[in-house]
Amino acid sequence: KAGVTQTPRYLIKTRGQQVTLSCSPISGHRSVSWYQQTPGQGLQFLFEYFSETQRNKGNFPGRFSGRQFSNSRSEMNVSTLELGDSALYLCASSLETSLVYNEQFFGPGTRLTVL
Amino acid sequence: AQSVTQPDIHITVSEGASLELRCNYSYGATPYLFWYVQSPGQGLQLLLKYFSGDTLVQGIKGFEAEFKRSQSSFNLRKPSVHWSDAAEYFCAVVPKFSYIPTFGRGTSLIVHP
Repeated sequence: KAGVTQTPRYLIKTRGQQVTLSCSPISGHRSVSWYQQTPGQGLQFLFEYFSETQRNKGNFPGRFSGRQFSNSRSEMNVSTLELGDSALYLCASSLETSLVYNEQFFGPGTRLTVL
Repeated sequence: AQSVTQPDIHITVSEGASLELRCNYSYGATPYLFWYVQSPGQGLQLLLKYFSGDTLVQGIKGFEAEFKRSQSSFNLRKPSVHWSDAAEYFCAVVPKFSYIPTFGRGTSLIVHP
């Protein structure tokens, strides 16, 4: 069974631009979560989507948004990019919602660099 | 303040030696506890988790962790480290009131031959 795939793997943008990252979960998984990983702040939870609905949200500004499609694929959007948005963005999928009782499987991440 | 702490940023061990990675948390009620491993260029992989019950939890790749309520700790151990264990290890907690995960800053494990 194929794992979680994230595209693109690397991305370079400039301040003020917007970016969209894509995540395809493991087949059959209905929950997708997004995380931001930076050297300064570590690994932080962004949000979780299940059945096309946002279930949980971390403490990030409204510039960070996401959505999930009927086939469970998810996209994450960051508008008005700032230098501090440079990070590794990880996507994780699980069978069902509840990040406690359902193991999350992580993708390799998208490395975003903001210049 | 609620937090999860991994006191050691880097740990260096020799191959074959035992390993203990520390994790402490500060929450009113015991949260759900997890350990993940991240190899270079990879996403995270779940090693083990603790919800309740037996305080010694067995995981994959020969890892185990012990929950100690009195010390608010959930330390990860392995009796004999292999070179392939070199990676970043993250402790994570999920509070029972929010179900939003919080990760420690990670411990980088270096294995010497």
